[in-house]
Amino acid sequence: GQQLNQSPQSMFIQEGEDVSMNCTSSSIFNTWLWYKQDPGEGPVLLIALYKAGELTSNGRLTAQFGTTRKDSFLNISASIPSDVGIYFCAGQVMGGAQKLVFGQGTRLTINP
Amino acid sequence: KAGVTQTPRYLIKTRGQQVTLSCSPISGHRSVSWYQQTPGQGLQFLFEYFSETQRNKGNFPGRFSGRQFSNSRSEMNVSTLELGDSALYLCASSTGQGMRRGTEAFFGQGTRLTVV
Repeated sequence: GQQLNQSPQSMFIQEGEDVSMNCTSSSIFNTWLWYKQDPGEGPVLLIALYKAGELTSNGRLTAQFGTTRKDSFLNISASIPSDVGIYFCAGQVMGGAQKLVFGQGTRLTINP
Repeated sequence: KAGVTQTPRYLIKTRGQQVTLSCSPISGHRSVSWYQQTPGQGLQFLFEYFSETQRNKGNFPGRFSGRQFSNSRSEMNVSTLELGDSALYLCASSTGQGMRRGTEAFFGQGTRLTVV
């Protein structure tokens, strides 16, 4: 089945540092989404990407849809304590049904 | 605009029992998808309902079933519970029509199911 490889699995950084994480797939996706999940909560949508090559920002977050449609990355600039959490990439294929394939997640820890 | 509401938030059940989880989507959304989240397997797609019809199904046994009502609210049922069914069950709501800005999936807070 379809799988997304997300890396790194965990990151330990200092407050103020920039963060970069990415997802790769052996399959093509038509949509890439990035979610953040806090403990005990559901994933919250951060950024959605719909076109190959698209670069989209949401505040300090920037994400790109790879030109091959098989990868995406998320950057967080000038990290702050509330950025702590688990970040997931998700891919969606064309076909009508709302089915997302998720990466394994990147756990972000920030040292103050 | 109210978000996706899942009830209950927590459940403890015994092996062999059955359980029903509920999800109320965002007003106007007609698609409800269900996901199972475990530490070992991550987020796995269970099934999706759109306008009261199951439109897609993941690789889960028949013990996992669902339905959607005319008001788009959805329920998920797990029969003959096993210890391995302990997980966070998440539902996601979307318009379910097309793949463009405004059709993204929004998640509820989840139901934490513990099977003992």
